[in-house]
Amino acid sequence: EAGVTQSPTHLIKTRGQQATLRCSPISGHTSVYWYQQALGLGLQFLLWYDEGEERNRGNFPPRFSGRQFPNYSSELNVNALELEDSALYLCASSLGAEAFFGQGTRLTVV
Amino acid sequence: DAKTTQPTSMDCAEGRAANLPCNHSTISGNEYVYWYRQIHSQGPQYIIHGLKNNETNEMASLIITEDRKSSTLILPHATLRDTAVYYCIVRLFPFGNEKLTFGTGTRLTIIP
Repeated sequence: EAGVTQSPTHLIKTRGQQATLRCSPISGHTSVYWYQQALGLGLQFLLWYDEGEERNRGNFPPRFSGRQFPNYSSELNVNALELEDSALYLCASSLGAEAFFGQGTRLTVV
Repeated sequence: DAKTTQPTSMDCAEGRAANLPCNHSTISGNEYVYWYRQIHSQGPQYIIHGLKNNETNEMASLIITEDRKSSTLILPHATLRDTAVYYCIVRLFPFGNEKLTFGTGTRLTIIP
């Protein structure tokens, strides 16, 4: 069974640009979560989608947004990129008690 | 606001049991204790979770104190591949119901 897959693996953008990150959950999982992990820091909760709707968001500005598609895959969009947005962005999916993480997208803003 | 406190780092000799403590003194009655680990720059890996009873699976054992204010993750026979950052979190079911932050965890180094 395929795990959570994220694309791209690495992404380099310049300041002010937009980045789009994608996540495919484990088959059958309806919830998708996004986390940001800046270098040397813990995971910061970004967004939670379930059944196509945003259920909760962390303490991030509105330029961090996303959506969940009917097939439960998800996109994270970051507008007006800033240097401090450079981080590993992790997606997780869950059907209940456990959440399984993808390998992440490393976003570098230069 | 951190709900858990863990030591920043620990060392353990290969082949010995690694015991990782976690304090969660403000845990509420319906919150679970979860453990994840993250090997360098990879996505976190689920290890184990529990509510109030001790739990064991193929990876580890979880010992939760009777008052539920602390717990210990036990890796019975640590190998070099267990070197990772271990995160203890408390959360309501289902996952993601709160603005959950993992914190910085415990960096466990297994020494040959």
